[in-house]
Amino acid sequence: EVQLVESGGGLVQPGGSLRLSCVASGFTFNMYWMTWVRQTPGKGLEWVANIKQDGGEKYYVDSAEGRFTISRDNTKNSLYLQMNSLRAEDTALYYCATYGSGAYRRLFENWGQGTLVTVSS
Amino acid sequence: DIQLTQSPSSVSASVGDRVTLTCRASQGISTWLAWYQQRPGKAPKLLIHAVSILQSGVPSRFSGSGSGTDFTLTISDLEPEDFATYYCQQASRFPPSFGGGTKVEI
Repeated sequence: EVQLVESGGGLVQPGGSLRLSCVASGFTFNMYWMTWVRQTPGKGLEWVANIKQDGGEKYYVDSAEGRFTISRDNTKNSLYLQMNSLRAEDTALYYCATYGSGAYRRLFENWGQGTLVTVSS
Repeated sequence: DIQLTQSPSSVSASVGDRVTLTCRASQGISTWLAWYQQRPGKAPKLLIHAVSILQSGVPSRFSGSGSGTDFTLTISDLEPEDFATYYCQQASRFPPSFGGGTKVEI
């Protein structure tokens, strides 16, 4: 059974930092692109960042570029999102997900349960 | 970026009803359209990809259609577990984007 378990969310002040983690199991982690997707009541679901299987390619939503860094450790079946210079508008539930290729390109097939990030003073 | 507009934003229905949800893309996306179901307090779940291909285990009462810019998700004979929010997502162009969702409620 595929499992993705996020952690690291919490309350942080504007301008602060957080590091989200996601531990994967039940599939061959190093064969998948991975991604972070966030959800807010106001903006709905929003793709945030992607990383290729070997970490050699990374992509970000414009609003995260320069502030967020996605990374992975295939030896630990883990995905990370380092978030710096946080803003109120980054407040969301952050999901870790697999990111498909081929017939499943740009699809989010497996999701974690999410970790909540709240940016507030 | 491609914008997806879902309508209605919510729909009231009863067990046994048939409901049709709509998703419109701001530009043509061929058949690169997926649907997700999100139950309260849960993560989204991929239901359908490529407009009409059901994921393994998804009941046949779910069906999708459309191409280009206009798409529909139909749920026939609603079951209690179908009351949820449904999101469309385009996979045609980067970055992937989602519609705003349609809540199917009792």
